[in-house]
Amino acid sequence: AQRVTQPEKLLSVFKGAPVELKCNYSYSGSPELFWYVQYSRQRLQLLLRHISRESIKGFTADLNKGETSFHLKKPFAQEEDSAMYYCALSGHQGGKLIFGQGTELSVKP
Amino acid sequence: SAVISQKPSRDICQRGTSLTIQCQVDSQVTMMFWYRQQPGQSLTLIATANQGSEATYESGFVIDKFPISRPNLTFSTLTVSNMSPEDSSIYLCSVEAPTGWGYTFGSGTRLTVV
Repeated sequence: AQRVTQPEKLLSVFKGAPVELKCNYSYSGSPELFWYVQYSRQRLQLLLRHISRESIKGFTADLNKGETSFHLKKPFAQEEDSAMYYCALSGHQGGKLIFGQGTELSVKP
Repeated sequence: SAVISQKPSRDICQRGTSLTIQCQVDSQVTMMFWYRQQPGQSLTLIATANQGSEATYESGFVIDKFPISRPNLTFSTLTVSNMSPEDSSIYLCSVEAPTGWGYTFGSGTRLTVV
């Protein structure tokens, strides 16, 4: 079955601390993996895509096919990183997205 | 990336009535996706809408309850029919970015059924 699992509903860290938001997936094939972010009162927006291998706002995510994981990391969290983060997968370009349950990141001063 | 205008942004409706949500994209796209986000939950795909053909519904969603129109490559509507309080959710439309780099979402319609 196709599934995305984000085990942490809430992750609270202090400013400057490292952050890792976990994402595991189940998919028979080679999916595309994404991280989406939703800041308070804003629309859902794309943060990272595994194919691009970019670092956006200091965040990186590496696809580990052996562990079927796509964890989101940032070495030094900032207060403005506080938001809801969703991991998602698509079976192919242009295909539907399957979302995880989301992790609320709270960065305290 | 594509810009999506979705309206209404929110509505409060009486049970038994219907609400039609509109989604306008600033570029032509092949597929448009409709999602539901129930309170405290993640996003769940309702259906995929292709222009010129019937929408494809996910398990648990039916056309009679969520009829979709896709009259052209830049516009789609989702109707929530015969509403009950359980339909209270945020409904979002989404399209793939023209560059193929990810998906763009509308700002959502927050529906409350009383």
